[in-house]
Amino acid sequence: DQQVKQNSPSLSVQEGRISILNCDYTNSMFDYFLWYKKYPAEGPTFLISISSIKDKNEDGRFTVFLNKSAKHLSLHIVPSQPGDSAVYFCAASVTNAGKSTFGDGTTLTVKP
Amino acid sequence: DAGITQSPRHKVTETGTPVTLRCHQTENHRYMYWYRQDPGHGLRLIHYSYGVKDTDKGEVSDGYSVSRSKTEDFLLTLESATSSQTSVYFCAISESAGVYYGYTFGSGTRLTVV
Repeated sequence: DQQVKQNSPSLSVQEGRISILNCDYTNSMFDYFLWYKKYPAEGPTFLISISSIKDKNEDGRFTVFLNKSAKHLSLHIVPSQPGDSAVYFCAASVTNAGKSTFGDGTTLTVKP
Repeated sequence: DAGITQSPRHKVTETGTPVTLRCHQTENHRYMYWYRQDPGHGLRLIHYSYGVKDTDKGEVSDGYSVSRSKTEDFLLTLESATSSQTSVYFCAISESAGVYYGYTFGSGTRLTVV
């Protein structure tokens, strides 16, 4: 029973365009959602998060949208840059539970 | 900027041998985690710790044990390594249990069991 799903294993976009990465979850107890970025041979790095009391959080070129009724969140990157090419993981947590559940990741390729 | 280091970075071991991976942090964070990453499975939680001597199991804990005798060190032991434990292992630390500012991950340990 996978509680956090990223249904697109890969995504390819042109430099300067928008990248949209999607994530679905099944556990309604999750109240915090995070995105991480991972380059090859490195550990993941935290990118952006959103609390379940919000529907949008923005940080520079990165915006995360949360649709609680659909149990869906998305990460928008605008404009996309070649350096954004990486694996992006969605994660979900229950505050005070002490742990996060990760999706399988989406590999983003931004073409120059 | 290594507030968190993993050792070794690479290891090849034989089936049936015990293996210990070390995670060391200098951030004095309360929470520490061990995840494994496998193709098609993302990051799966093995064990985690919410304080010295306080640990709990994750979703894939069978065949693994952990110990945390000091705030800064979290050890992962494969009691008798099997080929299915060939993976990349990541340690992570957090002040806030993975919310707010997320985890800080180590660079990973690539373990091959032959």
